[in-house]
Amino acid sequence: EVQLVESGGGLVQPGGSLRLSCAASGFTFSSFGMSWVRQAPGKGLEWVSYITSSSNVIYYADSVKGRFTISRDNAKDSLYLQMDSLRDGDTAVYYCARGSFDNAGFYFCDYWGQGTLVTVSS
Amino acid sequence: EIVMTQSPATLSVSPGERATLSCRASQSVSSSLAWYQQKPGQAPGLLIYGASTRATGIPARFSGSGSGTEFTLTISSLQSEDFAVYYCQQYNKWPRTFGQGTKVEFK
Repeated sequence: EVQLVESGGGLVQPGGSLRLSCAASGFTFSSFGMSWVRQAPGKGLEWVSYITSSSNVIYYADSVKGRFTISRDNAKDSLYLQMDSLRDGDTAVYYCARGSFDNAGFYFCDYWGQGTLVTVSS
Repeated sequence: EIVMTQSPATLSVSPGERATLSCRASQSVSSSLAWYQQKPGQAPGLLIYGASTRATGIPARFSGSGSGTEFTLTISSLQSEDFAVYYCQQYNKWPRTFGQGTKVEFK
């Protein structure tokens, strides 16, 4: 069974930093691209970042580019999101999600973790 | 970036009725379109990918159609467990973008 468990969320002041982790199990982590997606309280979903299985390609949403860094450790079956210069608008539940390829070769999120809440407030 | 627009924002349906949700892309995304279901306090769950392929374990009452810029999610006979928020997402271009969601509520 595919399992993704996020951790590391919490309360942080504006301008502060936080590092999220996502522990994966039930599949060969090193074979799959991974994403972070967030959801502000009462709002919709916003894709944040993506990393390929070998970490050779990384994408970010413009809203976090230059402030957030995605990484992974395939030996530890873990995904990370280093969040710096946090703003009020970064308050959200952060989900990690596994990626799979459809028949046309495009990547989509198939399994999601339960999320970890990040609150940016003074 | 590609803007995804869902309609309606809220759909009031009685159990057993058919529900039709729409999703429009600001430019063609071919068939790179996924639908997700989210219940209160839960993570989103994949329903449909490739515009029309049901994910593993998804009941046949859920069907997706469309390509290019116009997509539809149909729930043929609504069950009590189907009351939720539904999101479409294009995965043809970066950044990946979601629609704002359609809430399917009890009529």
